[in-house]
Amino acid sequence: GQSLEQPSEVTAVEGAIVQINCTYQTSGFYGLSWYQQHDGGAPTFLSYNGLDGLEETGRFSSFLSRSDSYGYLLLQELQMKDSASYFCAVSWDNYGQNFVFGPGTRLSVLP
Amino acid sequence: DTEVTQTPKHLVMGMTNKKSLKCEQHMGHRAMYWYKQKAKKPPELMFVYSYEKLSINESVPSRFSPECPNSSLLNLHLHALQPEDSALYLCASSQDARQNTEAFFGQGTRLTVV
Repeated sequence: GQSLEQPSEVTAVEGAIVQINCTYQTSGFYGLSWYQQHDGGAPTFLSYNGLDGLEETGRFSSFLSRSDSYGYLLLQELQMKDSASYFCAVSWDNYGQNFVFGPGTRLSVLP
Repeated sequence: DTEVTQTPKHLVMGMTNKKSLKCEQHMGHRAMYWYKQKAKKPPELMFVYSYEKLSINESVPSRFSPECPNSSLLNLHLHALQPEDSALYLCASSQDARQNTEAFFGQGTRLTVV
């Protein structure tokens, strides 16, 4: 089976940096994705890591260590609009999008 | 156009009703998906269509029946649902199910079974 772990909640202030960790145990591994979902909204793709290392996209960066079965999403220069749920998602076979979402981390950004 | 459009946005149905959820995308994506999401939970994959063929069915009860009439449309037919099936049903699409390209999600249909 597949299992992922994320912190359930994280709180930070505007302008700060926050890191959301994701650890996983899967029968296979193809890549780690991150999605953002605002209340009442649709999940929105943020990043994908297929190889070890850091991927940077604007204020967001994502990291993967395949040997540690671990990844994180780094959000810099936090803004109020970043308050949302963040899901890591692991794809475990070569269907790519046949992935399982982690339980999600609720990020609250305070003024 | 980077939108995935789902209709209806809200649906209330009785346990004996038959209804359908619809999803449409015009991005030329060849993979389309149905997810179910309960409140404060992650989306759960239900079905994957790749090149208009059902490629993944995650042990979903037969009261949910997917259909992919063409590469732009995806339907989910509902029949004899249970109250526990009440949830947000999300449709998504991606360029190709075999590539780890990003998935675009629709806003979902909020389904209530009474």
